[in-house]
Amino acid sequence: KAGVTQTPRYLIKTRGQQVTLSCSPISGHRSVSWYQQTPGQGLQFLFEYFSETQRNKGNFPGRFSGRQFSNSRSEMNVSTLELGDSALYLCASSSRGSNPEAFFGQGTRLTVV
Amino acid sequence: DAKTTQPPSMDCAEGRAANLPCNHSTISGNEYVYWYRQIHSQGPQYIIHGLKNNETNEMASLIITEDRKSSTLILPHATLRDTAVYYCIVRPLDYGNKLVFGAGTILRVKS
Repeated sequence: KAGVTQTPRYLIKTRGQQVTLSCSPISGHRSVSWYQQTPGQGLQFLFEYFSETQRNKGNFPGRFSGRQFSNSRSEMNVSTLELGDSALYLCASSSRGSNPEAFFGQGTRLTVV
Repeated sequence: DAKTTQPPSMDCAEGRAANLPCNHSTISGNEYVYWYRQIHSQGPQYIIHGLKNNETNEMASLIITEDRKSSTLILPHATLRDTAVYYCIVRPLDYGNKLVFGAGTILRVKS
């Protein structure tokens, strides 16, 4: 079956703009989590959605937001982009409410200039 | 979440077993040990998890000490494709799907 799909794969934005990233989980998976990966901070948890509800949230400013649709697809939005938001954004899907086996997508590489 | 300590890097010869240690001395009774790995430019990949018994699957074995304060991930016959960053994570099972990653161990498999 198809894996986790993230679009776009690469993105270049200007400071102050906003961006929306998309994640399509594995069919049947209801949980989607988002992570930010940078060389300095490593992999950091952003938030998790399960059945359209945000269940966990990491320590990121309010400029970072997300949502999940009824088909489990998820989007994350970053407003007022800063140079420090340049990162690899990873999405992971899981089949159950609490499942250690999360499947990750290839990520979206965001560059803010 | 319990804190984990892993060596920053390790080398292993191709075909030999790779033994990756993880210290989690503050682990609680309801916390599991999970291992993920991230091959360059890819998303992390789940490897294995366990509570207190040793576990084995097609990818690896997980050995947890009796006091549960440390564990070892074993790749029985490492190949060049096993070169990756390996993350040891400790968390309760009933914790949603949030994963807290540390710095991990860079494993370099050499021919």
